[in-house]
Amino acid sequence: DVKVTQSSRYLVKRTGEKVFLECVQDMDHENMFWYRQDPGLGLRLIYFSYDVKMKEKGDIPEGYSVSREKKERFSLILESASTNQTSMYLCASSSTGRPLSGANVLTFGAGSRLTVL
Amino acid sequence: EDKVVQSPLSLVVHEGDTVTLNCSYEVTNFRSLLWYKQEKKAPTFLFMLTSSGIEKKSGRLSSILDKKELFSILNITATQTGDSAIYLCAVDNAGNMLTFGGGTRLMVKP
Repeated sequence: DVKVTQSSRYLVKRTGEKVFLECVQDMDHENMFWYRQDPGLGLRLIYFSYDVKMKEKGDIPEGYSVSREKKERFSLILESASTNQTSMYLCASSSTGRPLSGANVLTFGAGSRLTVL
Repeated sequence: EDKVVQSPLSLVVHEGDTVTLNCSYEVTNFRSLLWYKQEKKAPTFLFMLTSSGIEKKSGRLSSILDKKELFSILNITATQTGDSAIYLCAVDNAGNMLTFGGGTRLMVKP
Protein backbone atom coordinates (compact mmCIF):
# COMPACT_ATOMS: atom_id res chain seq x y z
CA ASP A 1 0.00 0.00 0.00
CA VAL A 2 3.07 2.26 -0.08
CA LYS A 3 2.39 5.17 -2.43
CA VAL A 4 5.40 7.48 -2.03
CA THR A 5 8.69 5.69 -1.58
CA GLN A 6 11.94 7.30 -0.57
CA SER A 7 14.96 5.21 -1.36
CA SER A 8 16.95 5.71 1.81
CA ARG A 9 15.64 6.06 5.36
CA TYR A 10 19.01 6.91 6.89
CA LEU A 11 22.18 8.23 5.30
CA VAL A 12 25.48 9.38 6.72
CA LYS A 13 27.72 11.38 4.42
CA ARG A 14 30.86 13.44 4.71
CA THR A 15 31.18 17.16 3.99
CA GLY A 16 31.72 17.75 0.30
CA GLU A 17 30.17 14.48 -0.88
CA LYS A 18 27.46 14.43 -3.52
CA VAL A 19 24.17 13.08 -2.22
CA PHE A 20 21.19 11.75 -4.16
CA LEU A 21 17.80 11.32 -2.54
CA GLU A 22 15.30 9.45 -4.67
CA CYS A 23 11.54 9.57 -4.47
CA VAL A 24 9.00 7.53 -6.45
CA GLN A 25 5.21 7.80 -6.38
CA ASP A 26 2.72 5.38 -7.89
CA MET A 27 -0.39 7.57 -7.88
CA ASP A 28 0.19 9.28 -11.25
CA HIS A 29 0.40 12.66 -9.47
CA GLU A 30 1.49 15.69 -11.46
CA ASN A 31 3.07 17.54 -8.55
CA MET A 32 6.03 16.46 -6.50
CA PHE A 33 7.80 18.24 -3.67
CA TRP A 34 10.91 18.08 -1.53
CA TYR A 35 10.76 19.47 2.01
CA ARG A 36 13.22 19.50 4.82
CA GLN A 37 12.06 19.29 8.39
CA ASP A 38 14.02 20.72 11.31
CA PRO A 39 12.91 21.01 14.94
CA GLY A 40 11.02 24.24 15.57
CA LEU A 41 11.10 25.22 11.90
CA GLY A 42 8.44 22.89 10.56
CA LEU A 43 8.51 21.81 6.95
CA ARG A 44 10.28 24.11 4.54
CA LEU A 45 9.92 23.69 0.81
CA ILE A 46 13.14 23.17 -1.13
CA TYR A 47 11.93 22.51 -4.68
CA PHE A 48 8.79 21.37 -6.40
CA SER A 49 7.80 20.16 -9.84
CA TYR A 50 4.52 20.49 -11.71
CA ASP A 51 5.41 18.22 -14.55
CA VAL A 52 8.15 16.15 -16.06
CA LYS A 53 11.32 18.17 -16.62
CA MET A 54 9.80 21.18 -14.85
CA LYS A 55 11.06 22.48 -11.53
CA GLU A 56 10.46 25.51 -9.38
CA LYS A 57 12.43 26.83 -6.43
CA GLY A 58 10.79 26.73 -3.08
CA ASP A 59 11.71 28.72 -0.01
CA ILE A 60 15.20 27.31 0.60
CA PRO A 61 16.70 26.04 -2.69
CA GLU A 62 20.30 27.09 -2.03
CA GLY A 63 22.67 24.15 -2.02
CA TYR A 64 20.16 21.81 -3.67
CA SER A 65 19.11 20.82 -7.16
CA VAL A 66 16.43 18.46 -8.44
CA SER A 67 15.70 16.25 -11.40
CA ARG A 68 12.40 15.02 -12.78
CA GLU A 69 12.98 12.93 -15.87
CA LYS A 70 9.90 10.75 -15.38
CA LYS A 71 6.52 11.61 -13.92
CA GLU A 72 6.80 9.17 -11.06
CA ARG A 73 10.33 10.05 -9.94
CA PHE A 74 11.69 13.21 -8.33
CA SER A 75 15.29 13.32 -7.15
CA LEU A 76 16.94 15.75 -4.76
CA ILE A 77 20.65 16.35 -5.22
CA LEU A 78 23.10 17.90 -2.83
CA GLU A 79 26.09 18.70 -5.02
CA SER A 80 28.46 19.20 -2.10
CA ALA A 81 26.93 18.27 1.23
CA SER A 82 27.51 20.53 4.20
CA THR A 83 26.87 20.00 7.90
CA ASN A 84 23.98 22.49 7.88
CA GLN A 85 22.16 20.16 5.49
CA THR A 86 21.85 17.56 8.21
CA SER A 87 18.09 17.17 8.40
CA MET A 88 15.04 15.03 7.71
CA TYR A 89 14.03 15.23 4.05
CA LEU A 90 10.45 14.52 3.08
CA CYS A 91 9.19 13.91 -0.41
CA ALA A 92 5.51 14.41 -1.23
CA SER A 93 3.19 14.33 -4.20
CA SER A 94 -0.24 15.68 -5.04
CA SER A 95 -2.66 15.90 -7.93
CA THR A 96 -3.79 19.14 -9.54
CA GLY A 97 -7.38 20.25 -9.37
CA ARG A 98 -10.09 21.59 -7.11
CA PRO A 99 -9.54 21.19 -3.36
CA LEU A 100 -12.81 19.39 -2.71
CA SER A 101 -11.81 16.71 -5.17
CA GLY A 102 -8.89 15.86 -2.93
CA ALA A 103 -6.38 17.62 -5.11
CA ASN A 104 -3.46 19.32 -3.43
CA VAL A 105 -3.62 17.01 -0.44
CA LEU A 106 -0.03 15.95 -0.09
CA THR A 107 0.90 12.32 0.30
CA PHE A 108 4.25 12.03 2.01
CA GLY A 109 7.02 9.50 1.89
CA ALA A 110 8.50 8.09 5.10
CA GLY A 111 11.40 10.53 5.05
CA SER A 112 15.17 10.30 4.67
CA ARG A 113 17.25 11.32 7.64
CA LEU A 114 20.56 12.68 6.40
CA THR A 115 23.54 13.29 8.65
CA VAL A 116 26.50 15.17 7.20
CA LEU A 117 29.72 14.81 9.18
CA GLU B 1 5.19 36.36 2.31
CA ASP B 2 2.80 33.60 3.38
CA LYS B 3 2.99 32.68 7.03
CA VAL B 4 1.49 29.92 9.17
CA VAL B 5 2.00 29.93 12.94
CA GLN B 6 1.06 27.07 15.24
CA SER B 7 0.74 27.12 18.98
CA PRO B 8 1.63 25.81 21.40
CA LEU B 9 4.99 24.52 20.28
CA SER B 10 4.60 21.50 22.51
CA LEU B 11 2.06 20.11 24.91
CA VAL B 12 2.11 17.35 27.52
CA VAL B 13 -1.21 16.00 28.79
CA HIS B 14 -2.59 12.92 30.51
CA GLU B 15 -4.78 10.34 28.87
CA GLY B 16 -8.38 11.44 28.89
CA ASP B 17 -7.61 15.15 28.67
CA THR B 18 -8.98 17.32 25.89
CA VAL B 19 -6.52 19.43 23.88
CA THR B 20 -6.88 22.31 21.47
CA LEU B 21 -4.18 23.06 18.93
CA ASN B 22 -4.08 26.42 17.18
CA CYS B 23 -3.09 27.49 13.70
CA SER B 24 -3.13 31.08 12.46
CA TYR B 25 -2.23 32.15 8.98
CA GLU B 26 -1.55 35.03 6.65
CA VAL B 27 -1.61 33.99 3.01
CA THR B 28 -2.61 35.51 -0.26
CA ASN B 29 -5.21 33.65 -2.31
CA PHE B 30 -6.29 31.30 0.46
CA ARG B 31 -7.83 28.12 -0.91
CA SER B 32 -7.79 25.57 1.91
CA LEU B 33 -6.21 24.67 5.24
CA LEU B 34 -5.00 21.19 6.00
CA TRP B 35 -4.10 19.32 9.18
CA TYR B 36 -1.62 16.45 9.25
CA LYS B 37 -0.50 14.07 11.99
CA GLN B 38 3.12 12.97 12.00
CA GLU B 39 4.20 10.10 14.18
CA LYS B 40 7.53 8.52 13.56
CA LYS B 41 7.57 8.86 9.82
CA ALA B 42 5.36 10.21 7.04
CA PRO B 43 2.79 12.87 7.94
CA THR B 44 -0.71 11.54 7.38
CA PHE B 45 -3.63 13.65 6.28
CA LEU B 46 -6.36 14.45 8.81
CA PHE B 47 -8.61 17.22 7.53
CA MET B 48 -9.04 19.75 4.78
CA LEU B 49 -11.03 22.89 5.57
CA THR B 50 -12.25 25.33 2.97
CA SER B 51 -15.28 27.03 4.51
CA SER B 52 -15.65 28.99 7.73
CA GLY B 53 -17.67 27.60 10.58
CA ILE B 54 -18.14 24.08 9.26
CA GLU B 55 -16.72 21.53 11.66
CA LYS B 56 -14.94 18.53 10.27
CA LYS B 57 -14.99 15.51 12.56
CA SER B 58 -13.30 12.14 12.63
CA GLY B 59 -13.77 10.13 15.80
CA ARG B 60 -12.28 12.09 18.69
CA LEU B 61 -10.69 14.67 16.40
CA SER B 62 -12.45 17.72 15.07
CA SER B 63 -11.41 20.91 13.37
CA ILE B 64 -12.93 24.21 12.38
CA LEU B 65 -11.84 27.18 10.31
CA ASP B 66 -12.44 30.90 10.82
CA LYS B 67 -11.62 32.71 7.59
CA LYS B 68 -12.44 36.10 9.03
CA GLU B 69 -10.01 35.82 11.93
CA LEU B 70 -7.61 33.67 9.88
CA PHE B 71 -7.21 30.71 12.17
CA SER B 72 -8.13 27.10 12.67
CA ILE B 73 -8.25 24.85 15.70
CA LEU B 74 -7.82 21.12 16.01
CA ASN B 75 -9.52 19.53 19.00
CA ILE B 76 -8.76 16.10 20.38
CA THR B 77 -11.07 14.80 23.09
CA ALA B 78 -10.39 11.92 25.49
CA THR B 79 -6.76 11.79 24.39
CA GLN B 80 -4.93 8.48 24.17
CA THR B 81 -1.22 7.68 24.09
CA GLY B 82 -1.60 6.94 20.40
CA ASP B 83 -2.42 10.59 19.82
CA SER B 84 1.18 11.48 20.68
CA ALA B 85 2.59 13.03 17.52
CA ILE B 86 3.52 16.25 15.81
CA TYR B 87 0.46 17.97 14.38
CA LEU B 88 1.12 20.05 11.30
CA CYS B 89 -1.08 22.77 9.87
CA ALA B 90 -0.64 23.86 6.26
CA VAL B 91 -2.34 26.38 4.01
CA ASP B 92 -2.89 26.02 0.27
CA ASN B 93 -2.45 29.37 -1.45
CA ALA B 94 -3.93 28.26 -4.75
CA GLY B 95 -0.50 27.89 -6.26
CA ASN B 96 -0.24 24.12 -5.90
CA MET B 97 1.99 24.70 -2.90
CA LEU B 98 1.45 24.36 0.81
CA THR B 99 2.94 26.60 3.47
CA PHE B 100 3.46 24.70 6.70
CA GLY B 101 3.50 25.89 10.27
CA GLY B 102 6.17 24.80 12.70
CA GLY B 103 4.03 22.06 14.17
CA THR B 104 2.77 21.27 17.67
CA ARG B 105 4.37 18.34 19.43
CA LEU B 106 1.77 16.57 21.58
CA MET B 107 2.73 14.02 24.18
CA VAL B 108 -0.01 12.06 25.95
CA LYS B 109 1.09 10.35 29.13
CA PRO B 110 -0.64 7.20 30.37
